[in-house]
Amino acid sequence: GAVVSQHPSRVICKSGTSVKIECRSLDFQATTMFWYRQFPKKSLMLMATSNEGSKATYEQGVEKDKFLINHASLTLSTLTVTSAHPEDSSFYICSASDPASTDTQYFGPGTRLTVL
Amino acid sequence: AQSVTQLDSQVPVFEEAPVELRCNYSSSVSVYLFWYVQYPNQGLQLLLKYLSGSTLVESINGFEAEFNKSQTSFHLRKPSVHISDTAEYFCAVRRLTGGGNKLTFGTGTQLKVEL
Repeated sequence: GAVVSQHPSRVICKSGTSVKIECRSLDFQATTMFWYRQFPKKSLMLMATSNEGSKATYEQGVEKDKFLINHASLTLSTLTVTSAHPEDSSFYICSASDPASTDTQYFGPGTRLTVL
Repeated sequence: AQSVTQLDSQVPVFEEAPVELRCNYSSSVSVYLFWYVQYPNQGLQLLLKYLSGSTLVESINGFEAEFNKSQTSFHLRKPSVHISDTAEYFCAVRRLTGGGNKLTFGTGTQLKVEL
């Protein structure tokens, strides 16, 4: 199947700092990428849909000024958690939609964010 | 709107025994169906999907799922499980058209294979 990478896999930061997470589709071009958040022992919560060349669409209750999403190319989307706080600590997972596979979503390995 | 129900939060099973993980969905429109597997501290991996055609779909590692439209189900089965199958399994649906390709996930089923 298609491969999606995420970087970093794990990050620890101080409260008040910003953290950038990258999501790349390695062997296909993705016009649409998705960002999810997963709490321990819970399902995935969709945060936003990222479309190449346009503004991201955020789900209800997700602060767009806190979670900045940029989809600068067909293979790269970034999520920046601004002014991070301990409650932002979570597992963040991205996915990329492969148009050659009926837009099946392929997921990255996730990024574990810990805010001290 | 769509919804997905995975009634079993945990399924313990002995190695080499058969297993079925249940998934039921609700939708007013036609949907595609997916099963994803998540190993500890990893992202999700696509296990199998139903888009059209034969209602029985198979994965390369022995899992299969059958789309039953009348019962709105997409249960996942394996005739003989292995220790390495221990993971969290998520059922998901997506509208055929519209909806921005968004997936709706179930709450997941933890499959624990024991010796």
